[in-house]
Amino acid sequence: AQTVTQSQPEMSVQEAETVTLSCTYDTSESDYYLFWYKQPPSRQMILVIRQEAYKQQNATENRFSVNFQKAAKSFSLKISDSQLGDAAMYFCAYRSLYNAGNMLTFGGGTRLMVKP
Amino acid sequence: DAGITQSPRHKVTETGTPVTLRCHQTENHRYMYWYRQDPGHGLRLIHYSYGVKDTDKGEVSDGYSVSRSKTEDFLLTLESATSSQTSVYFCAISGWDTERSLHFGNGTRLTVT
Repeated sequence: AQTVTQSQPEMSVQEAETVTLSCTYDTSESDYYLFWYKQPPSRQMILVIRQEAYKQQNATENRFSVNFQKAAKSFSLKISDSQLGDAAMYFCAYRSLYNAGNMLTFGGGTRLMVKP
Repeated sequence: DAGITQSPRHKVTETGTPVTLRCHQTENHRYMYWYRQDPGHGLRLIHYSYGVKDTDKGEVSDGYSVSRSKTEDFLLTLESATSSQTSVYFCAISGWDTERSLHFGNGTRLTVT
């Protein structure tokens, strides 16, 4: 079974600065998907960005980008020009291409605080 | 937003009582999931469904059962609620879309006293 680890329970960043959230995972599979979800205080789960393991190019969505290191099994999220609205819980998740249920396995989450 | 509705949004119940949480989707997606969210554990899979009347267990299925009699509805039942089942419960759906991601409902906060 795959495991996902987020080693930073809490992070803080100054508004307009850049912050990187860490995620590592354990798998023996070669093809899979990785995701970052954002959960603001409203409790809604919002997809931030996704990465296909077969793609070497790192995914980017506006101010959000990832550093995908397949050999190291690392998938960090970089938030540039941090905004107050970025304050939230962030979850890293793994999806196998080989299990029947297509479910996601989540890390424990990182709480990001943004200081004005 | 993906068409997912969870009910109720909040519930307080007593130990030993049965509880049913409901998830309704309007996307006609094949896959539906129940997760629970607890501090430090992220989201953990309870049960999932891959079609009408087709369900399977997840990582933390003990004490929970599910049913899916229609494509659009997925029910999670706690037969006899315990304090350890106090949590936030999320329903999610997935279809064979290009994103391969899950779309989540807004969650149900369940407190077992």
